[in-house]
Amino acid sequence: KAGVTQTPRYLIKTRGQQVTLSCSPISGHRSVSWYQQTPGQGLQFLFEYFSETQRNKGNFPGRFSGRQFSNSRSEMNVSTLELGDSALYLCASSLGTSGRRTYNEQFFGPGTRLTVL
Amino acid sequence: GDSVTQMEGPVTLSEEAFLTINCTYTATGYPSLFWYVQYPGEGLQLLLKATKADDKGSNKGFEATYRKETTSFHLEKGSVQVSDSAVYFCALPLGSSASKIIFGSGTRLSIRP
Repeated sequence: KAGVTQTPRYLIKTRGQQVTLSCSPISGHRSVSWYQQTPGQGLQFLFEYFSETQRNKGNFPGRFSGRQFSNSRSEMNVSTLELGDSALYLCASSLGTSGRRTYNEQFFGPGTRLTVL
Repeated sequence: GDSVTQMEGPVTLSEEAFLTINCTYTATGYPSLFWYVQYPGEGLQLLLKATKADDKGSNKGFEATYRKETTSFHLEKGSVQVSDSAVYFCALPLGSSASKIIFGSGTRLSIRP
C-alpha cells in the first residue's frame, strides 16, 4: 500500500507570495491533518480535514487555510508569506472514523520544506 | 490546557548504553500517549503507544509505561544502537477522533559507535 505523499518536497518563495502544498493520503483514509515543524516552535497542529470538512483547527492566523477534495486529497495554502513561515510542513492521514472514541493511527508523509526569502 | 513536557536534548550516548527520555503530560480525562521517531530527512513514524493507565507500549526494543499517578510516559531502551540516532517526540492525541496531536519539543539522540 502506498504511503502518504506530499508535493512538492522543496519550495522556495519570497515574502508576500502565496503557496499551495499538496497531500495525497493512504488509500481508504478519510482524515488528513497538517502540521508545521520549525526549530523554534517544534511541531504544531494546523488543521484536520475529514470528509471534505475542517474538523479541528490549531492556533494559526487566517493566512493558513486548507481544503479537502472528494478523493480525500488535501491542499494547504499560505497567503502573504512571511519569513517566519519557513518550515517543514507535514501531512498525516488516518481512517478518522467518528463515533465512539478510538485511536486512529496517523501516518505521516515526508513533508514539504518551505523556505521564504 | 493540554500539554506535553519532554526532556531537552541533545542526548549523546555510546552504543549499548541504556537510554531514558523523560516525558510528562497534562491532560483532562484519560488520553492515549505515543512516542514518535523522526529519522534524518524523513517524516514521523509511530514508535509505540499506550491507550490506558499501566499499559506498556513496546517496539524495536523501546518501551514506555503509561503512569497515571505521575502523569509520565518515559521512553527506555536497554541497549541503544547507532541506527537509533534520530529525534524522538512524546505525543498526546486530542479530540473526539484523537486526530489532533500535541507534540513535545523533541529530543535529538546521537549514538556513538
